Amino acid sequence: EAGVAQSPRYKIIEKRQSVAFWCNPISGHATLYWYQQILGQGPKLLIQFQNNGVVDDSQLPKDRFSAERLKGVDSTLKIQPAKLEDSAVYLCASSLQGANSPLHFGNGTRLTVT
Amino acid sequence: DQQVKQNSPSLSVQEGRISILNCDYTNSMFDYFLWYKKYPAEGPTFLISISSIKDKNEDGRFTVFLNKSAKHLSLHIVPSQPGDSAVYFCAARDLNNDMRFGAGTRLTVKP
Repeated sequence: EAGVAQSPRYKIIEKRQSVAFWCNPISGHATLYWYQQILGQGPKLLIQFQNNGVVDDSQLPKDRFSAERLKGVDSTLKIQPAKLEDSAVYLCASSLQGANSPLHFGNGTRLTVT
Repeated sequence: DQQVKQNSPSLSVQEGRISILNCDYTNSMFDYFLWYKKYPAEGPTFLISISSIKDKNEDGRFTVFLNKSAKHLSLHIVPSQPGDSAVYFCAARDLNNDMRFGAGTRLTVKP
């Protein structure tokens, strides 16, 4: 079974620039998550999709972050404009729908904002 | 809003001994708990989980214990091996099916 694919692995941008991350979940996984992990902290949920609908985006800074999952498979997360404090690893995860289904994570995209 | 807490940022044990990683939570509505293991430059990998209706789940060298009244869970690794050295995250699922993570504990197993 192929895992969760993310790209790019690394990205360096200047503040006020924009950036986009891409995620391809495990085939058949209806639920997709984006997490932000700042160095020394645990992953923090940004947004959860069920198929192509948003289930929870309460912690997404909507003034600068946006995410979509148009066909219920791949997803993109965008930051525009970026701030220094957005420097983090952005993790995508997917899971089967239903109770007691663990999340499976990709290797993440490490973003550095200078 | 730290609903899941791992108060020990690091733990060091000798190879062959038991490693005990602890986790506390505040939300009594969490119903599913997990442990993840993370190596550098990789995403977290699912290790073991437990439903709130159980108090123990075992998988090989890994055992997770849940104490609902104390809102506490722990991960036991026995015997510990050098390859177990990694950061371990505790996670809990809330009513929205969102996973909340602790800050992690870095385990070092010395040969």
